[in-house]
Amino acid sequence: SYELTQPPSVSVSPGQTAGITCSGDALSRQYTYWYQQKPGQAPILVIYKDTERPSGIPERFSGSNSGTTVTLTISGVQAEDEADYYCQSADSSGTYVFGGGTKLTVL
Amino acid sequence: EVQLVQSGAEVKKPGESLKISCKASGYIFIDYWVGWVRQRPGKGLEWMGIIYPGDSDIKYSPSFQGQVTISADKSIRTAYLQWSSLKASDGAVYFCARGQSGVDYKTYYYMDVWSTGTTVTVTS
Repeated sequence: SYELTQPPSVSVSPGQTAGITCSGDALSRQYTYWYQQKPGQAPILVIYKDTERPSGIPERFSGSNSGTTVTLTISGVQAEDEADYYCQSADSSGTYVFGGGTKLTVL
Repeated sequence: EVQLVQSGAEVKKPGESLKISCKASGYIFIDYWVGWVRQRPGKGLEWMGIIYPGDSDIKYSPSFQGQVTISADKSIRTAYLQWSSLKASDGAVYFCARGQSGVDYKTYYYMDVWSTGTTVTVTS
């Protein structure tokens, strides 16, 4: 198995751009996915296959992949975006792995 | 509407057995995986394993192999997660989620629809 590394926390002011990174050796070979989780709620998929956005997810959420580091970018952050964000990938056998999670604080 | 509905909260003693359920609706149950994820209080998401109800193919995380059993009954569109002997450390919220997998430029594995979770408390 392998690990995905995320920063524990990111802080940003409303209207600014937040970037949350996720690093792992296998990310150059596998897709990455991002989930948002607010307190007491189930996770929600916000980005899949590195850059795709599910229907209903605001356009301000975007994803990018530059090899072994991927980034979730939230442009024009709003107070409602305050949440924990988890990256996820999988190895070639279909074993999933989650990053440790990043708490996004909107100042 | 795609939905996954889990069984209710459980309070158990160490050593007891437990089976929680996840009932699917709004999609063809046997065509998608159903995965399980643990979240201990104040901690992150941990992927436990996943089942394909169409042929009962199951993949376990190495961390959970032998600790839990994942199963499904396609006749009632329900997946299960069970323990034979609970420990205090099993206390957590357990989520089930629909899994997508396939191949295009790369293989893809992700969970697109999540249930609200089942809280399991293990206390003597």
